[in-house]
Amino acid sequence: GAVVSQHPSWVICKSGTSVKIECRSLDFQATTMFWYRQFPKQSLMLMATSNEGSKATYEQGVEKDKFLINHASLTLSTLTVTSAHPEDSSFYICSALPKGFAFFGQGTRLTVV
Amino acid sequence: GQNIDQPTEMTATEGAIVQINCTYQTSGFNGLFWYQQHAGEAPTFLSYNVLDGLEEKGRFSSFLSRSKGYSYLLLKELQMKDSASYLCAVSPASNYGGATNKLIFGTGTLLAVQP
Repeated sequence: GAVVSQHPSWVICKSGTSVKIECRSLDFQATTMFWYRQFPKQSLMLMATSNEGSKATYEQGVEKDKFLINHASLTLSTLTVTSAHPEDSSFYICSALPKGFAFFGQGTRLTVV
Repeated sequence: GQNIDQPTEMTATEGAIVQINCTYQTSGFNGLFWYQQHAGEAPTFLSYNVLDGLEEKGRFSSFLSRSKGYSYLLLKELQMKDSASYLCAVSPASNYGGATNKLIFGTGTLLAVQP
């Protein structure tokens, strides 16, 4: 069964609004989670590493003020896309490593109109 | 820099064997993973190699040569449901040489299995 749960599965929002995506670890504690973004027909690109109780580590080129990450507990990390624009439309996926290799959430399809 | 290369697309016939290659150049190495991803879904774990050699798991096998920066995924007895993208991912080392647990993905290989 799923060990990482992501919500929502899909969301449509208006340009300029903010969207929050949740990633939960089930039956295990995750001090670190990872957020990826995938554009159509492209591979996963790591956006940031979410660290429980401390600031997230962002990959080069990812705007930390636009993609807010909060990892307030050992089972929950959230990604908030602030002031979303159509170019932010993408598939966002989180992952955690309960057994040495990454398990992925179901992914969130974000469409900004 | 980090660079992982895979063929973009491959086509194979049901019941046949297909080999998907992956070459990588990364800052350090802490393991290579293969994931399967169906359209619109999240990736699912297939295999993990950290030492040279072949790892076999049912119809799927994965090979690694660290000296060559090369891996392949071998799929036997292909089934229609194997039509998917196959992602090669490397776990690089941190600046201090330890594991980072993050993954750098290749572009993925879209495999089409035909009857």
